[in-house]
Amino acid sequence: DADVTQTPRNRITKTGKRIMLECSQTKGHDRMYWYRQDPGLGLRLIYYSFDVKDINKGEISDGYSVSRQAQAKFSLSLESAIPNQTALYFCATSDPQGQGFNEQFFGPGTRLTVL
Amino acid sequence: GIQVEQSPPDLILQEGANSTLRCNFSDSVNNLQWFHQNPWGQLINLFYIPSGTKQNGRLSATTVATERYSLLYISSSQTTDSGVYFCAVAGGAAGNKLTFGGGTRVLVKP
Repeated sequence: DADVTQTPRNRITKTGKRIMLECSQTKGHDRMYWYRQDPGLGLRLIYYSFDVKDINKGEISDGYSVSRQAQAKFSLSLESAIPNQTALYFCATSDPQGQGFNEQFFGPGTRLTVL
Repeated sequence: GIQVEQSPPDLILQEGANSTLRCNFSDSVNNLQWFHQNPWGQLINLFYIPSGTKQNGRLSATTVATERYSLLYISSSQTTDSGVYFCAVAGGAAGNKLTFGGGTRVLVKP
């Protein structure tokens, strides 16, 4: 089984709809992240969480919210989706005590299309 | 924040050729990772290399932290090496937040 899983893998929705993307991990890492990737570009950080009680905004958090339900689960919500949120979304995890300081490991991605 | 620049932006190789990809960054780092994004969009960890040299099969990487650059070497390229290669760094006050470069798009022709 994959260490970091994301659901759904693909989603098409309409403008104004509320959407939730989910991330689960079995790596036992405390730190989790959400990134988005626009076509032809690198990834940009949306939100990150160092533990269940810690949530921090990244560089592009407007229009998004997150929930850290447990150490292993981190969800990203789009309260009212708009077309320019069409992108590939990645979840990642890291362990500051691991062999590689905060080496991040990524899920398979969720391809979201907002019509 | 840290700026990350990758070069070249595009690379076309004949199968069997060798190549070098470069990543320049603007500040000291405590994390530098190389990824391969395959045609299906998946990000594959290649190296965690904030300093020094590592090798994994036909791939190797070197980071010279004092000069703020990292190199990824691909030897005897194969068609399966096609995709986009990203360098990502974190450091200083940003801690573990990765900043990604724009990527190098590699196409290996048979």
